[in-house]
Amino acid sequence: GESVGLHLPTLSVQEGDNSIINCAYSNSASDYFIWYKQESGKGPQFIIDIRSNMDKRQGQRVTVLLNKTVKHLSLQIAATQPGDSAVYFCADRDQAGTALIFGKGTTLSVSS
Amino acid sequence: DTAVSQTPKYLVTQMGNDKSIKCEQNLGHDTMYWYKQDSKKFLKIMFSYNNKELIINETVPNRFSPKSPDKAHLNLHINSLELGDSAVYFCASSQGSGVYGYTFGSGTRLTVV
Repeated sequence: GESVGLHLPTLSVQEGDNSIINCAYSNSASDYFIWYKQESGKGPQFIIDIRSNMDKRQGQRVTVLLNKTVKHLSLQIAATQPGDSAVYFCADRDQAGTALIFGKGTTLSVSS
Repeated sequence: DTAVSQTPKYLVTQMGNDKSIKCEQNLGHDTMYWYKQDSKKFLKIMFSYNNKELIINETVPNRFSPKSPDKAHLNLHINSLELGDSAVYFCASSQGSGVYGYTFGSGTRLTVV
């Protein structure tokens, strides 16, 4: 079946470092991917998305890379700040296209 | 003005009770969802609903039922609550059936004792 998962459950970085959060997916037909950030006690917030016809997309301090050959995507956060501490999820659409399927999440901890 | 609002934020109840969680969105979206987040932060789709179609995740017990009085509301009713129902429940909405970025509510933490 389809699944979207992340390689590491936790990632600890120092303030100012760059962070890379990885995600592997199994459905080779997936055509749309999203990254969400969930802060403690809040709902997930949209960060950035990418369609399968792109390899890279940049936002403010964030970049998503998509490698369709190995079915892998990553979220890069530049100059990580304490406010970036949260759980990060990748997601893609289910095969029916009726809902987003979320990976297991990576907890990013930023120390100053 | 909150885009997707859920009430209550916290709900503590005894096993066997029936409870409802309300969700309202003011974004004009036509599709709404319920997700369950377990203690390991795993988010699992329960339902997706627009004014035409309700899609139920087959793993959801039939004690759970979504009710939509109108396009802006999707409530979650749970019968005969069990300990394993304890989780955080999130409502979300999106525009169209293409399932692009959702907007989530802030969640309802349900504790069954």
